[in-house]
Amino acid sequence: EAGVAQSPRYKIIEKRQSVAFWCNPISGHATLYWYQQILGQGPKLLIQFQNNGVVDDSQLPKDRFSAERLKGVDSTLKIQPAKLEDSAVYLCASSLASSLAGDTQYFGPGTRLTVL
Amino acid sequence: QKEVEQNSGPLSVPEGAIASLNCTYSDRGSQSFFWYRQYSGKSPELIMSIYSNGDKEDGRFTAQLNKASQYVSLLIRDSQPSDSATYLCAVNEGGGGGFKTIFGAGTRLFVKA
Repeated sequence: EAGVAQSPRYKIIEKRQSVAFWCNPISGHATLYWYQQILGQGPKLLIQFQNNGVVDDSQLPKDRFSAERLKGVDSTLKIQPAKLEDSAVYLCASSLASSLAGDTQYFGPGTRLTVL
Repeated sequence: QKEVEQNSGPLSVPEGAIASLNCTYSDRGSQSFFWYRQYSGKSPELIMSIYSNGDKEDGRFTAQLNKASQYVSLLIRDSQPSDSATYLCAVNEGGGGGFKTIFGAGTRLFVKA
C-alpha cells in the first residue's frame, strides 16, 4: 500500500513570496490533515478535512494560509504572503475516517519550508 | 487551547535499561491517546495507542493511562540505540461530530550503547 505522498520535499523562498504544497493521501482515506511542525515543537494541526469538507481550521492563519481538497482526494496548502515565522516542516497525514477518535493517522514525509 | 505537556528531555538511558516517558493532558474529555516516534528529519510514526485506563503492552513497549490523573506514559523495555528518537504524546479531544489531535512538544530519548 502506497503511503502519503507530499511535494515538494524542500522549498526555500523569500518573505512575502507565495508557496504551495501538495499532498496525496493513502487511497481510500476519508480524512486528511495538515500540520505545521516548527523545530523543537510538536506538530500543530492547521486544518482537517473529511472528504472535501473542512472539519477543523481553527488554528489556520486564514489571512495568509489557505487549503483545499478538491474531489475529496488530493489537497493543496498555500501560504501567501510568507513570513519568516512560517519556516517549518509541513506535514500531511491521512486516516481512514474521522468519526472514530482512535483512528490511526499516517504521515507523509513532510515539506521543509525555509523563509528568508 | 487545551494542552499536552511532556518533559522535553533529553532523557538518556543505557542500552538494555527501561526508558520511561511521561505526558499529562488538560482536557478531561479526551478519549484517545497515542505515542508517536519521530527520528530526526523524519515524520512521526505511530507506535502505541491506548483508550482505556490501565496498561497496554506491545512487544517492548507498554503504554499506561490514568484518566483520573490525566496522565499517560510509555515504557520502553530493553532499550536499544535504535530507540533514540523524539517521542511525541498525542491526545484526541472532542467527540460528537469529530475530534482534534493535540501533540505535545516531545521528549528526546538517547539510548547509550
